[in-house]
Amino acid sequence: DVKVTQSSRYLVKRTGEKVFLECVQDMDHENMFWYRQDPGLGLRLIYFSYDVKMKEKGDIPEGYSVSREKKERFSLILESASTNQTSMYLCASSAASRLNTEAFFGQGTRLTVV
Amino acid sequence: KNEVEQSPQNLTAQEGEFITINCSYSVGISALHWLQQHPGGGIVSLFMLSSGKKKHGRLIATINIQEKHSSLHITASHPRDSAVYICAVEDFGNEKLTFGTGTRLTIIP
Repeated sequence: DVKVTQSSRYLVKRTGEKVFLECVQDMDHENMFWYRQDPGLGLRLIYFSYDVKMKEKGDIPEGYSVSREKKERFSLILESASTNQTSMYLCASSAASRLNTEAFFGQGTRLTVV
Repeated sequence: KNEVEQSPQNLTAQEGEFITINCSYSVGISALHWLQQHPGGGIVSLFMLSSGKKKHGRLIATINIQEKHSSLHITASHPRDSAVYICAVEDFGNEKLTFGTGTRLTIIP
């Protein structure tokens, strides 16, 4: 059974803290994604990685950074958490291909910044 | 950038009813995805299609490339179908998805 696993379902952090959200996939996928989901806005892409150590900014990268040191792991980092980063964060992965490929999602991390 | 619109935003129906959720997009695409998100957050891929029609159990997805429109149908709806259904499109040459805002479906027993 293929899996994308996020390290936490729920997190509560204080303003100014450095926050790490971890995502691991076991499908040997090249592509990994971090999204945030907010009511009425749908999923928005924060960062995308198409290979180890490679990353590309998405639509809303401000306030975030990412790390991909190993193919199976993609980390999202909030350098200094702020209350407007309270959201649901979703990780996804897909195989790199010129043909369309299915995306697999993690279970989500609901982050609250107080 | 592709604009993806879903309708309706919210849908409540009685158990057994036939359900239709619509998705339209503004620019030609290479593929369209239908996703399901249950309370608690996890997202499951239901369909990926680039033309025609696909069926899986009680779920049917269709796409009309010329009209830039897709529909997700649920036959004989059941309370366990209650979830948010999300449409997402994949532009040509781009492995990133653009998402609609979702349709919240509630099926009442």
